[in-house]
Amino acid sequence: TQLLEQSPQFLSIQEGENLTVYCNSSSVFSSLQWYRQEPGEGPVLLVTVVTGGEVKKLKRLTFQFGDARKDSSLHITAAQPGDTGLYLCAGGEYGNKLVFGAGTILRVKS
Amino acid sequence: DTAVSQTPKYLVTQMGNDKSIKCEQNLGHDTMYWYKQDSKKFLKIMFSYNNKELIINETVPNRFSPKSPDKAHLNLHINSLELGDSAVYFCASSLQTGTAWEQYFGPGTRLTVT
Repeated sequence: TQLLEQSPQFLSIQEGENLTVYCNSSSVFSSLQWYRQEPGEGPVLLVTVVTGGEVKKLKRLTFQFGDARKDSSLHITAAQPGDTGLYLCAGGEYGNKLVFGAGTILRVKS
Repeated sequence: DTAVSQTPKYLVTQMGNDKSIKCEQNLGHDTMYWYKQDSKKFLKIMFSYNNKELIINETVPNRFSPKSPDKAHLNLHINSLELGDSAVYFCASSLQTGTAWEQYFGPGTRLTVT
């Protein structure tokens, strides 16, 4: 099983600040997904990237897949309290199996 | 509403008991999963079924037995519960988009074994 390392584990910032979350592996993944999970709920898919070097934007969120398809980043511009949650990256392994990173807990203070 | 639903939401039980968690999806997906999320929020796949057939079976004690009566349902039965089984269990279904399998998660079942 391939491993995904996420950093930082915890991030507490003020509203309006920018932040970046990283997801790294020594292995190549067929795809990379980002999910957000709020307390008491299941993770919700934010984005899927499949091509090395791919960049996707979702409002204030920018996702990038590394050229070698081993790493990814999530950048949030002008964070808002509503962005608070657990962010999980997940890499596509063989078949339909996903491997999840340990997650980044983001807290945005108003 | 179209969604993945699971019951119960909370389950508190004693060591040694047997319990079941039920999951249903009405998204029309062929593939369903069970995941376990531990106290550190680490999410790990346990099982995956495609159209009622078991295709992923991770290193899970055989006290855990999934059953899929049809492709819209995937239940999880746990025998002889242990303290270490306490966790949040998520059911999910997935849709293949190109090479990616995008997961749709249920709300989770928080299992507490005392």
